[in-house]
Amino acid sequence: QQQVKQSPQSLIVQKGGISIINCAYENTAFDYFPWYQQFPGKGPALLIAIRPDVSEKKEGRFTISFNKSAKQFSLHIMDSQPGDSATYFCAASAGTYKYIFGTGTRLKVLA
Amino acid sequence: EPEVTQTPSHQVTQMGQEVILRCVPISNHLYFYWYRQILGQKVEFLVSFYNNEISEKSEIFDDQFSVERPDGSNFTLKIRSTKLEDSAMYFCASSAAESGEQYFGPGTRLTVT
Repeated sequence: QQQVKQSPQSLIVQKGGISIINCAYENTAFDYFPWYQQFPGKGPALLIAIRPDVSEKKEGRFTISFNKSAKQFSLHIMDSQPGDSATYFCAASAGTYKYIFGTGTRLKVLA
Repeated sequence: EPEVTQTPSHQVTQMGQEVILRCVPISNHLYFYWYRQILGQKVEFLVSFYNNEISEKSEIFDDQFSVERPDGSNFTLKIRSTKLEDSAMYFCASSAAESGEQYFGPGTRLTVT
């Protein structure tokens, strides 16, 4: 119940394309859903986050879509660039201190 | 832009030795965390710390682990007797509020031989 399932494990997208990463959860107590971007050898960097009272949040080229009834949320990267090539983690928390992370998606954007 | 810093960036130690990993959280943050990431795997929560005490800990955080805020700026993770399976990247994070955004440091790569 504490798991967050993330897919796909890896993703290759052409420059300018849309990258879509999906996450699903079971615990209905989760109330905060951040996405992190991690480059090799670096710490996770907060990208964008959403709470379940909204269905979508957009920041620049990054959009989170949230489906509360399906217990799913996804990250969309519009106009993907080679510089977006990184590992992306979704996470969830239930009003507590700890984040439960997904297993990560390795994104490669081809030039 | 304020950031979380961690030292050392890489620590190599022998099995059974004690190690202390250090972190300087963002200055006005009140909540502090340690996570670890075994190579190629997901990030896992270890412990959270607020008001000079542990708020929550995972099953990974056993008696071999301890955390401390020895002064107004540092936050440390101590592993008393390291095991081979403790080899991982250890990330410190901090947040301004209990359910607020957590900002991660660059990590310390711990290698236990």
